[in-house]
Amino acid sequence: AQSVTQPDIHITVSEGASLELRCNYSYGATPYLFWYVQSPGQGLQLLLKYFSGDTLVQGIKGFEAEFKRSQSSFNLRKPSVHWSDAAEYFCAVQTGGTSYGKLTFGQGTILTVHP
Amino acid sequence: GAGVSQSPSNKVTEKGKDVELRCDPISGHTALYWYRQSLGQGLEFLIYFQGNSAPDKSGLPSDRFSAERTGGSVSTLTIQRTQQEDSAVYLCASSRDSNQPQHFGDGTRLSIL
Repeated sequence: AQSVTQPDIHITVSEGASLELRCNYSYGATPYLFWYVQSPGQGLQLLLKYFSGDTLVQGIKGFEAEFKRSQSSFNLRKPSVHWSDAAEYFCAVQTGGTSYGKLTFGQGTILTVHP
Repeated sequence: GAGVSQSPSNKVTEKGKDVELRCDPISGHTALYWYRQSLGQGLEFLIYFQGNSAPDKSGLPSDRFSAERTGGSVSTLTIQRTQQEDSAVYLCASSRDSNQPQHFGDGTRLSIL
């Protein structure tokens, strides 16, 4: 069965600093990969997705992620963090076939932004 | 356009009572998913609908949980004889089909006293 690991439970950065959130997955083939963000009391908002092709994908709010097959990773990056980026971030995978598109999520990374 | 709508946003009920949670997906989305988010277990898949049928119910934790979808649109998740461990946020998501990205509602926060 597939699994997703987000090694960092909580990350704190200063406003304006760069950010990288780590995500590793375990699956026999290349899954579809996603990053979602969740603000308190709200649902999940899709930041970006990787299906195939260019391994560097651009998303909303200035985020990007890079798929590295050799490392089974899909790390999320942002060059300059804004205070409004404080939230919880989830990496997720979606496998084909009889999984019917259901998402398997990592445990999430809480991002705190200091002014 | 309108996103995924869930109601109620919060539900507090006594142990042993039945609850119904509602999800109104984005119009035209044939795939609908229910997930549960709890402190101990993170985000877990519960059930998947394609149209009105549920080909994957593998995530439902017990036979106290059931769900239906009517008219290829609104879905209801029912929990019978609620237990304290059912306390969680229940999230609904929909997508055009099972190969497209999922759009989530804001969830229903369920608290069992």
